[in-house]
Amino acid sequence: DAKTTQPTSMDCAEGRAANLPCNHSTISGNEYVYWYRQIHSQGPQYIIHGLKNNETNEMASLIITEDRKSSTLILPHATLRDTAVYYCIVRPDNTNAGKSTFGDGTTLTVKP
Amino acid sequence: GAVVSQHPSWVICKSGTSVKIECRSLDFQATTMFWYRQFPKQSLMLMATSNEGSKATYEQGVEKDKFLINHASLTLSTLTVTSAHPEDSSFYICSARDPQHIEQYFGPGTRLTVT
Repeated sequence: DAKTTQPTSMDCAEGRAANLPCNHSTISGNEYVYWYRQIHSQGPQYIIHGLKNNETNEMASLIITEDRKSSTLILPHATLRDTAVYYCIVRPDNTNAGKSTFGDGTTLTVKP
Repeated sequence: GAVVSQHPSWVICKSGTSVKIECRSLDFQATTMFWYRQFPKQSLMLMATSNEGSKATYEQGVEKDKFLINHASLTLSTLTVTSAHPEDSSFYICSARDPQHIEQYFGPGTRLTVT
C-alpha cells in the first residue's frame, strides 16, 4: 500500500469547516483513497473514499487533486463529537485488498 | 452500514493464561477478517488476515503460535492470545469487509489487560 503523510495534529473551531490534508505522492492508478476516524477507545469508523473524482456523503467531502498525489477531507461544520484521530489510507479496491495499513493519522481537536 | 461486533469489550487475565476474543459480522458474510493491535498513543498495527476455511496469514513479526486465529464460519473469527504476558496488554480490533461493498468495517475493540 502507498504511504501517506498527514499532519500530526490540527485544531478547529466548533461550527467551522475542518480541512484535513493527506499526501500520497506514490499512489498507484488502481488505489483508492479512504478516510477513517477513531474516537478515543473505539474502533475506526469509515468516513468516505474516492478514486479520482471528488466525493460527498452525509459525513464529509473528499477532494482529490487532479494528479491524485494528495487529498483533503472536509468536515463542513465540525462539532465537538468530531474530535478524533483521522486516518488517510490508500489501497487497491479488490477482494484481496481489504487490509488497511494505518499511518499515524491526524489528531483533530474541535474547540468550543 | 454493516456492523461488526467484538466480545468481550474488555478482559483482565493473569499472566500465563489464554484469552479468546470473538469478532462477528452481524449482517453480512465476511470471507476475510483482519486483526489489529493498538498500543496506547500508537496507530493500529495489522497482525493477521483471517480467511474462512483456511489458515490465517500473519504479518511479519507476529507469532502465529501465540496468536491463534480461527475463522470457522463466514460470520465469526476468533483470536486467542495464548500464555498471555503483560506486554500483550493492548487494544485488539477486528475488521471485516462486506463483499457487496468496498468499505472495511471495524469492531469496537477489546481491551486486554494482563496482570
